[in-house]
Amino acid sequence: SSELTQDPAVSVALGQTVRITCQGDSLRNYYASWYQQKPGQAPVLVIYGKNNRPSGIPDRFSGSSSGNTASLTITGAQAEDEADYYCNSRDNSGDHYVFGTGTKVTVL
Amino acid sequence: QVQLQESGPGLVKPSETLSLTCTVSGGSVSSGHYYWSWIRQPPGKGLEWIGYMSYSGSTKYNPSLKSRVTISVDTSKNQFSLKLSSVTAADTAVYYCARLSVDTTMVWYFDLWGRGTLVTVSS
Repeated sequence: SSELTQDPAVSVALGQTVRITCQGDSLRNYYASWYQQKPGQAPVLVIYGKNNRPSGIPDRFSGSSSGNTASLTITGAQAEDEADYYCNSRDNSGDHYVFGTGTKVTVL
Repeated sequence: QVQLQESGPGLVKPSETLSLTCTVSGGSVSSGHYYWSWIRQPPGKGLEWIGYMSYSGSTKYNPSLKSRVTISVDTSKNQFSLKLSSVTAADTAVYYCARLSVDTTMVWYFDLWGRGTLVTVSS
């Protein structure tokens, strides 16, 4: 199966922009989806497909993809955006799903 | 609105079988375009996809767990279930049930999650 690699941690000043990346061979063929997880809570879908936000997700969250890298950008980060973020996509076979290693976002 | 709720024992002995159920409320497990999934997260670690089953019965499992995993759907109870056999301490985790959905462009994503249930493997 494929692996999806993320930076373990990033920090961003309040109101600034942060980009979280996810790298993996399967991303050349499949879109990633992105999940926000706060301590003690279930993950929440924030971005899927080319750049789609579920209802209720603020428009400061956006997604993009190039080659083997998918990115989640938070433009104007808020204190409530401090969380772990995971990417997810299919593996190279297309039959299975794999999660990224996760990125802890700290808002300073 | 559709909600998912996991249930099952919080403590399982090593070598035994872990069994969890996810109840779907506000919607039908027989709905098309959905695959019913299980995902787990060991304490302090990342997410791991376990597998999914469609209402029609097709399944896919994580290759690393395939020999021990069974996911089934009970349309009469509007539930789906997970069985993981021969458990060890490494199977201690929060187990989530989730709905895998598809949009019109055939993009798949986990759009609905249960709150999760902690299962500890210990004697």
